[in-house]
Amino acid sequence: DQQVKQNSPSLSVQEGRISILNCDYTNSMFDYFLWYKKYPAEGPTFLISISSIKDKNEDGRFTVFLNKSAKHLSLHIVPSQPGDSAVYFCAASAVHAGNMLTFGGGTRLMVKP
Amino acid sequence: DSGVTQTPKHLITATGQRVTLRCSPRSGDLSVYWYQQSLDQGLQFLIQYYNGEERAKGNILERFSAQQFPDLHSELNLSSLELGDSALYFCASSVERETDEQFFGPGTRLTVL
Repeated sequence: DQQVKQNSPSLSVQEGRISILNCDYTNSMFDYFLWYKKYPAEGPTFLISISSIKDKNEDGRFTVFLNKSAKHLSLHIVPSQPGDSAVYFCAASAVHAGNMLTFGGGTRLMVKP
Repeated sequence: DSGVTQTPKHLITATGQRVTLRCSPRSGDLSVYWYQQSLDQGLQFLIQYYNGEERAKGNILERFSAQQFPDLHSELNLSSLELGDSALYFCASSVERETDEQFFGPGTRLTVL
């Protein structure tokens, strides 16, 4: 049972435009949602997170939106840059479960110059 | 650089063998997590230690074990290796037992022939 899903395996965007990456979850007990970026041969790098009690968190070009009723979150990158090209993982954690991360399958973002 | 180090970077071994993967968390981090990334299963949580004690267990096989030492470094032991154990193994650390952000090491790529 996949508790965190990223239904789009890949996304291609023009440089300067907005990139929107989506994530759905099923477990209403998750307390935090996180986005990680991963380059080949490297470990995931933390980007941004949001608590389940909020609906938006912004950090520079990155904004995460959380819709609890729909069990859906999204990551917006504006403006997109070629260096943003990577695999993006959505993850969720629950405090009562020791904060282990449950990951989605990832979305490969390609930003074209 | 996340501050989390993992050794070795690559490991090639044969079926039936035993290997040990090592992780040094960021300075001051008490919590260590181990994750496995395989082609068909994505990133999956294996086990968490907090200040030397096991805190949470995920999809970790009985052939696998881990420990965290007094200096807070951790080792993941994989025994009776099978072809299907070939994967990337990541270690992550965080400051507290329950916190949202985890910092990942560069991973150990294990190949079982």
